[in-house]
Amino acid sequence: QSALTQPASVSGSPGQSITISCTGTSSDVGGYNYVSWYQQHPGKAPKLMIYDVSNRPSGVSNRFSGSKSGNTASLTISGLQAEDEADYYCSSYTSSSTPDVVFGGGTKLTVL
Amino acid sequence: QVQLVQSGAEVKKPGASVKVSCKASGYTFTSYGISWVRQAPGQGLEWMGWISAYNGNTNYAQKLQGRVTMTTDTSTSTAYMELRSLRSDDTAVYYCARELTGDHAFDIWGQGTMVTVSS
Repeated sequence: QSALTQPASVSGSPGQSITISCTGTSSDVGGYNYVSWYQQHPGKAPKLMIYDVSNRPSGVSNRFSGSKSGNTASLTISGLQAEDEADYYCSSYTSSSTPDVVFGGGTKLTVL
Repeated sequence: QVQLVQSGAEVKKPGASVKVSCKASGYTFTSYGISWVRQAPGQGLEWMGWISAYNGNTNYAQKLQGRVTMTTDTSTSTAYMELRSLRSDDTAVYYCARELTGDHAFDIWGQGTMVTVSS
């Protein structure tokens, strides 16, 4: 069982927007602004999409945005494209003792 | 360009040890920490631990304490992860990843090393 809770799957049509949630506790998501989001295509290494809740690394499309409210963080992808179909993982720093980074179980995004 | 290149796939018997390497290039190795993350087949990501490439300080996930050792060789800009007393549930793809300083986020990832534990 993962420390952070994500929906197993979400789907959307090209051009639409979708949001993936990531729920933790006050010891991780709610307590720190160290939430990150990763995109992983099959057989590939994860790619950082968002860090520190809402910051995008250089080169990541501005269609990807992050936010947080209380113990829940969210990743929103607008203007869905076929290449966005992938697994998405959230992570957070945690003060609950080691490990000090915890991941969500992952969400499979299907572009219909 | 900035990259991390890992060693090749390994097949080990239960009880054996494995050591995976991760060679960095394109940036100042000692300016960043390296974390190791693993992914069992069809499963999610699991953080294993972190090592400072600056001073060698480490922080391991509690469940792996006593079985894992992370080291670096600054002369070759290479990080290593050794896992001992391997079990079948250690079968996974092992990734090294550069950690953004102070942000607990991983911006550069190695290509992954498949470790299979089987008798």
